[in-house]
Amino acid sequence: DTAVSQTPKYLVTQMGNDKSIKCEQNLGHDTMYWYKQDSKKFLKIMFSYNNKELIINETVPNRFSPKSPDKAHLNLHINSLELGDSAVYFCASSTTRGGAHGELFFGEGSRLTVL
Amino acid sequence: GQSLEQPSEVTAVEGAIVQINCTYQTSGFYGLSWYQQHDGGAPTFLSYNALDGLEETGRFSSFLSRSDSYGYLLLQELQMKDSASYFCAVRDNAGNMLTFGGGTRLMVKP
Repeated sequence: DTAVSQTPKYLVTQMGNDKSIKCEQNLGHDTMYWYKQDSKKFLKIMFSYNNKELIINETVPNRFSPKSPDKAHLNLHINSLELGDSAVYFCASSTTRGGAHGELFFGEGSRLTVL
Repeated sequence: GQSLEQPSEVTAVEGAIVQINCTYQTSGFYGLSWYQQHDGGAPTFLSYNALDGLEETGRFSSFLSRSDSYGYLLLQELQMKDSASYFCAVRDNAGNMLTFGGGTRLMVKP
């Protein structure tokens, strides 16, 4: 049983295309996140949702649009992909905002390559 | 805003002890977490310190000094499988999110 699952795991696409990444957690958590990890392994938060409500938007370009249809799902849609969007995108969840005792549960990541 | 500093790379031999330091500057502070990430894998939670002192979990321990804005992760009896990247992370003032340091790549040699 995968606690936090993301699809697809790998995504290769052309500049200018639109793509989506889906995330689901079966842990019953209230809070979900999207993090971006670049080639230097720096992990940067993009968005956070708590019970379907957006609570964090870290100055991400508006080409990125998250959607949370329910508290178990958080999807990420990216329009007009650029080369700089190439990265690994991690979904995560936690029992409370910021993680109870600092603990986040991460998915396996979605590696996006923009050509 | 938040900023965290940790060494980019550390090398040690099997069986040894290694300490990975983390200093942070935050507008507020709830606690310091540590995560492990193997190449191609997901970050996984190791430990959390909200109060000063040492927390021990098996071969791994984590320390926090709030007055010094400093913490460290101590790994004992190093094994080859400990080769990974280790990230410190702070929970922000509002407690809404974790901000991660740049990560320390640990290489364990035979």
